[in-house]
Order: sequence, then structure tokens, then C-alpha cells
Amino acid sequence: DVKVTQSSRYLVKRTGEKVFLECVQDMDHENMFWYRQDPGLGLRLIYFSYDVKMKEKGDIPEGYSVSREKKERFSLILESASTNQTSMYLCASSLQQGASETQYFGPGTRLLVL
Amino acid sequence: GNSVTQMEGPVTLSEEAFLTINCTYTATGYPSLFWYVQYPGEGLQLLLKATKADDKGSNKGFEATYRKETTSFHLEKGSVQVSDSAVYFCALSVQGAQKLVFGQGTRLTINP
Repeated sequence: DVKVTQSSRYLVKRTGEKVFLECVQDMDHENMFWYRQDPGLGLRLIYFSYDVKMKEKGDIPEGYSVSREKKERFSLILESASTNQTSMYLCASSLQQGASETQYFGPGTRLLVL
Repeated sequence: GNSVTQMEGPVTLSEEAFLTINCTYTATGYPSLFWYVQYPGEGLQLLLKATKADDKGSNKGFEATYRKETTSFHLEKGSVQVSDSAVYFCALSVQGAQKLVFGQGTRLTINP
């Protein structure tokens, strides 16, 4: 079974702090994704990566950056956390590019910014 | 642009009731369609998918048929169980777009 793990289930940070969310997948997947999940809005894509050191902006990249130095690891960075970034963050991976590819999700990190 | 519209929730049913969660989409090209489920405290997992018109995806007693003429992918189950309580997301992916577009999610609660 594919396993996608996220470094924390819950995080509490202060406004202005730099926040790192880590994601690791163990199945040699090419693609990795970061989403945020908010009630009534579903999941919205922040960034994705289709190869090491490659990244593409999603629908809501403002205020976020990402890093993919190794194939199995994809980090989401909040350079200066703000209260409107309080949300559930979900990481996902997929084996390769293609519209029919299944994405495999981690358990999520619930971030509260005070 | 590409978008997915799901039935408003929350939905509350009794055990053994029939379930339908409506999903319609707008897409350029020919999308693949998915239903993902999120159980309490967990991430999303694929429930079923269909990659072309008239395909039926099925899993765990759930079914959905890709209807190109009505741009729909409604989720159905004949007899729900308490363990089906979760949030259900309809999603699409278009070739070349490399990403999923999700509906807003429908929270389902099944009472014994």
C-alpha cells in the first residue's frame, strides 16, 4: 500500500512565524501535491511538483512556497504565517502524469495561526 | 474553466436507506471523474473513478456512471451503513492539467 505521511497532525503557530510542513511518500511517485481544505470550499491546490526540484503553481499559491530536494519529500513553507492561513493542509502523490491517475493522500495537518 | 458542483450537505440518512449524492461538472476536453471519501480524522482516499463516457465506477457497494450528455457523475449506494458516515468529494482531472479539481464536499451521516 502507498503510504503518504505528514510531519504533524496539529500545529499552532503565531502570526509572522515561518512554518514548514513536511510530506513523505514511500512509493517512488513522480508527482506530489499540496492542497488546503476549508469548509464549503473543498480542496484547493496550492502547488504541485512533477519531478525533483520542479514545481508548478496551483490555484492559490500566494503566501506559500515549496521545496522538493528529494523525490520522496515535498515541503510546504509559509514564509510569514497569517491568520487566514489557518486551515487543514493535505499532501498527496501520484505515480505519474495522466488525467486518470489516482492521487494518494496523507492524513492532513491542521494548522492554527494565532 | 473546469469546475465541479456537488449536492449541498449535510445529508443525514437512516441505516439501509438509499443514497444519492449529485455531482455535475464543467470541463474542457474529456475529463476523468473521481469520487474520494474522507473518514473522520483521515485524509482522502479514492472510492471509485471513471475515465470515459458511459463508464461505471464501483467499489464497496457504491456506484457512479459517467454521463457525458448530462455532465454528471452521481454517487449511489443501495443500502448505506453507519460506517459510510464520511465526507464525499467529487473531482475531475483533464489531460494535460496535472491536477484534480474538487467539489466542495458533502458530509454524510448515517444513523443506526
